[in-house]
Amino acid sequence: DTEVTQTPKHLVMGMTNKKSLKCEQHMGHRAMYWYKQKAKKPPELMFVYSYEKLSINESVPSRFSPECPNSSLLNLHLHALQPEDSALYLCASSQGFGVYNEQFFGPGTRLTVL
Amino acid sequence: AQTVTQSQPEMSVQEAETVTLSCTYDTSENNYYLFWYKQPPSRQMILVIRQEAYKQQNATENRFSVNFQKAAKSFSLKISDSQLGDTAMYFCAFISYGGATNKLIFGTGTLLAVQP
Repeated sequence: DTEVTQTPKHLVMGMTNKKSLKCEQHMGHRAMYWYKQKAKKPPELMFVYSYEKLSINESVPSRFSPECPNSSLLNLHLHALQPEDSALYLCASSQGFGVYNEQFFGPGTRLTVL
Repeated sequence: AQTVTQSQPEMSVQEAETVTLSCTYDTSENNYYLFWYKQPPSRQMILVIRQEAYKQQNATENRFSVNFQKAAKSFSLKISDSQLGDTAMYFCAFISYGGATNKLIFGTGTLLAVQP
């Protein structure tokens, strides 16, 4: 299984809602990532987890809260978002730290904040 | 700071023809990897090809090949016999050995349209 899955595919939420994005991989990878991607732009790194511990937070606002309950699962909890947070949210995983580890991307969750 | 530049925001090619996408990068590191990622419309991003900086031989994957010029810090992608399924956004990306994490630096992307 060489797949990263993300749910839901699409999400529409109001600025006062709380929602969560989910990412799963069953490749035994120990590093997982959240990226934000605006239309026709490259992905921007948000968070990196390694061995279920948060390793990198790219100065992301606290209205985005990541969680890694186990080595296969990565969540992104959303609260009090702004319309400018509307984007494609990509999850990725890699075998571990180190440059030799290819990142496998999921299909993304397209988020619209009203 | 490390940067990746793709100077062609959009390109178009006829089916079965060859197209070359440009990428330049800037780094003071000696050891790094370069990648081309493909992101088709509404589909997930996949790795097309990878080049290790210490290897002089250009990487090839079927119809995809690169021209890696380390001294010039250039890393172009050639797609031969273009197919309709090659229509996608292509991102050039870089990662160095020195960092503690697998942090990719992406270029701004080239939107390639393959015309029938």
